[in-house]
Amino acid sequence: KQEVTQIPAALSVPEGENLVLNCSFTDSAIYNLQWFRQDPGKGLTSLLLIQSSQREQTSGRLNASLDKSSGRSTLYIAASQPGDSATYLCAVRPGGAQKLVFGQGTRLTINP
Amino acid sequence: DTEVTQTPKHLVMGMTNKKSLKCEQHMGHRAMYWYKQKAKKPPELMFVYSYEKLSINESVPSRFSPECPNSSLLNLHLHALQPEDSALYLCASSQGRIAGAKNIQYFGAGTRLSVL
Repeated sequence: KQEVTQIPAALSVPEGENLVLNCSFTDSAIYNLQWFRQDPGKGLTSLLLIQSSQREQTSGRLNASLDKSSGRSTLYIAASQPGDSATYLCAVRPGGAQKLVFGQGTRLTINP
Repeated sequence: DTEVTQTPKHLVMGMTNKKSLKCEQHMGHRAMYWYKQKAKKPPELMFVYSYEKLSINESVPSRFSPECPNSSLLNLHLHALQPEDSALYLCASSQGRIAGAKNIQYFGAGTRLSVL
């Protein structure tokens, strides 16, 4: 059974810092891995999707990497801003499955 | 346009009421999903529709009844709910199996449901 873990559960950093969020998964047989952002009481916004054959994806100040063999992904946020404050969720799609398996999320606070 | 629209945004219902949640997308996606999310927890999958057919039911109680009238619409009919069913209900859509590993799920803003 696929399990996804995100560490840390919460993170607070000053504005302008670069930071890394971690995601690990137990079964390397995945189709893809998706990073989402969720603001309080809102829906999920897709940030990046990395296919199983890819090593990384970039969008603006965000860079996500995938090491399938070790069961790890990282989300790098450059030059953090207060508007980046949200919960970040990592989700993997197991091979052959239509469902996503989510981690518990990292609650990120960027202090002005 | 990557928008998934959910209505209503908020819903309060009694345990004897019947209500419905609605989800709509116009991206030509052929897979649609219902998730339930409790506070400070990740979303939990409830149902998946693929090409308007129910493909996954994650052992959801029968008081939740999904319906996919066409490829753009997804409903969730609610009847005789319990207070513990209060949660944020999220709808999502994706291209489906044809997209393979590029199958991005796009989420709506959710319906905040309170059962009294």
